[in-house]
Amino acid sequence: EIVMTQSPATLSVSPGERATLSCRASQSVSSNLAWYQQKPGQAPRLLIYGASTRATGIPARFSGSGSGTEFTLTISSLQSEDFAVYYCQQYNNWYTFGQGTKLEIK
Amino acid sequence: EVQLLESGGGLVQPGGSLRLSCAASGFTFSSYAMSWVRQAPGKGLEWVSAISGSGGSTYYADSVKGRFTISRDNSKNTLYLQMNSLRAEDTAVYYCAKDLLVGAVAFMDVWGKGTTVTVSS
Repeated sequence: EIVMTQSPATLSVSPGERATLSCRASQSVSSNLAWYQQKPGQAPRLLIYGASTRATGIPARFSGSGSGTEFTLTISSLQSEDFAVYYCQQYNNWYTFGQGTKLEIK
Repeated sequence: EVQLLESGGGLVQPGGSLRLSCAASGFTFSSYAMSWVRQAPGKGLEWVSAISGSGGSTYYADSVKGRFTISRDNSKNTLYLQMNSLRAEDTAVYYCAKDLLVGAVAFMDVWGKGTTVTVSS
């Protein structure tokens, strides 16, 4: 099983600042990596797939990068609605998720 | 608009059974593989099972293999998850998700709101 490790577990950032979230795979997943956003009591929402392609309707302030085993989600200028938990997921070999990064208001 | 609506969750005793349903609308249901993903209280996401668009191929996580059965009725645009021999560790919110195939791989692009399963005596 491919293990996905996200860091940090919690990230405190002020509105308007940049947030950088990391995800590492235990073995290469090529570019088969997605990012999801989840708010309390809600279902996950797809943000990024193919490591760097924004899903339909996702604002340009969200960007993804990386390939192989190291990936990054960057939110360029945090809005109030961006504070949530973010999960990475590999879909190169079945599906496994990271444990999540909670993005909180500083 | 693509919509997925789960139902069938509830409280069940250990060793019991439950069947979850997911009603789909807004897309050609039979053209897409579908998945179930669960989230235990306060925990992360765990893929549970997937099924091809025709229903001819099914896949399971090791944690549920032999106990859960995924199926679909394309005439009713509905996905199912039959859960038997339930354990306390199966307690979770269960989401159904539509799989989007890009090249030779697929990921979940639309999720339902989830249904809660609690296994407890």
